[in-house]
Amino acid sequence: DVKVTQSSRYLVKRTGEKVFLECVQDMDHENMFWYRQDPGLGLRLIYFSYDVKMKEKGDIPEGYSVSREKKERFSLILESASTNQTSMYLCASRLLPNTEAFFGQGTRLTVV
Amino acid sequence: AQKITQTQPGMFVQEKEAVTLDCTYDTSDQSYGLFWYKQPSSGEMIFLIYQGSYDEQNATEGRYSLNFQKARKSANLVISASQLGDSAMYFCAMRLTGNQFYFGTGTSLTVIP
Repeated sequence: DVKVTQSSRYLVKRTGEKVFLECVQDMDHENMFWYRQDPGLGLRLIYFSYDVKMKEKGDIPEGYSVSREKKERFSLILESASTNQTSMYLCASRLLPNTEAFFGQGTRLTVV
Repeated sequence: AQKITQTQPGMFVQEKEAVTLDCTYDTSDQSYGLFWYKQPSSGEMIFLIYQGSYDEQNATEGRYSLNFQKARKSANLVISASQLGDSAMYFCAMRLTGNQFYFGTGTSLTVIP
């Protein structure tokens, strides 16, 4: 079974903190994605990566950056957390464009 | 710009009836893929069905079928013989040529016994 693991299920951080959300997949997938999910807004793409050290902005990259130093790991970084970044964050990975994406269990981040 | 539109925030269906969840999309790509995912209250994302833009036949997977109308840019999900366990959020998603993968806002389906 493909496994996509996000480092934390729940996280509480203070405004202004630098926050790291980690995602690891064990199936040698090329593509990895970070989304945030908010009620009524669905899943919005923050960043995606199609190879090591390669990244592309999604629809809402402001306030976020990413890192992909190894194929299996894709990190989302909140440079200076703000309360409007309180959300559910979902990581996904996919082998090929026309194959399904597999999701992690999500990280519910609260910024206070 | 909204690339995937799901216009039904909430839907109700009687158990054992069929239900159609709407999805329209917007892209100028010739090659793209359309996906449906289910998200139960537990939060996991479960892949249901896939349709490629060049596929001539509508995709089917068990009780799920995808009504693909390319000219209208719609990719509606049909669930036949609804079950109580089908109650969940349903998301339509689109893969574009550049590997981007976009989701709609979702439809909350409630199956009534």
